[in-house]
Amino acid sequence: DVKVTQSSRYLVKRTGEKVFLECVQDMDHENMFWYRQDPGLGLRLIYFSYDVKMKEKGDIPEGYSVSREKKERFSLILESASTNQTSMYLCASSPNPGTGPNEQFFGPGTRLTVL
Amino acid sequence: AQSVTQPDIHITVSEGASLELRCNYSYGATPYLFWYVQSPGQGLQLLLKYFSGDTLVQGIKGFEAEFKRSQSSFNLRKPSVHWSDAAEYFCAVTNTGGFKTIFGAGTRLFVKA
Repeated sequence: DVKVTQSSRYLVKRTGEKVFLECVQDMDHENMFWYRQDPGLGLRLIYFSYDVKMKEKGDIPEGYSVSREKKERFSLILESASTNQTSMYLCASSPNPGTGPNEQFFGPGTRLTVL
Repeated sequence: AQSVTQPDIHITVSEGASLELRCNYSYGATPYLFWYVQSPGQGLQLLLKYFSGDTLVQGIKGFEAEFKRSQSSFNLRKPSVHWSDAAEYFCAVTNTGGFKTIFGAGTRLFVKA
């Protein structure tokens, strides 16, 4: 069974802390994504990566950075957590498009609370 | 700019009744369209997708969707809803490069006995 796993289901951090969210996929997918999900706003893309050490900004990259040192692992970093970053964070992966864009496979999410 | 609109924030249907969830998109070229479902505490799971060809697509769990280019719509349907269908449903559109997906705000489905 294919899988995307995220390091934590729930996380509570203090304002100003550096926060690492880890995501691992076992499907040998080239592409990986980080989204945040907020009520009424759906999913918004923070960053994505289409290859090792490659990254592209999504729609809301401010306050975040990412790292992809290995193909299977994509990390989201909050350099200095703020209360407005309290949210659900979803990681996803997908293979390269073949005859058309492929579906994304999602992890279970990390609910981050910043106090 | 691409956008996806799901007009209904939440919908309540009785078990056994039919269901239609609306989705409208704005996209300049031929869109690639998806419906995902998110059960409580879970990530998103693909229900179905449309790339080309037959405009009526079948998905998992008895769901289907119809692409109507003239109406810029991709509505999700199910003839008979089960209590286990209670979840949040997201419509999404992807660009031709296949990397960037825009999601709608979601429709939460409640099923009453």
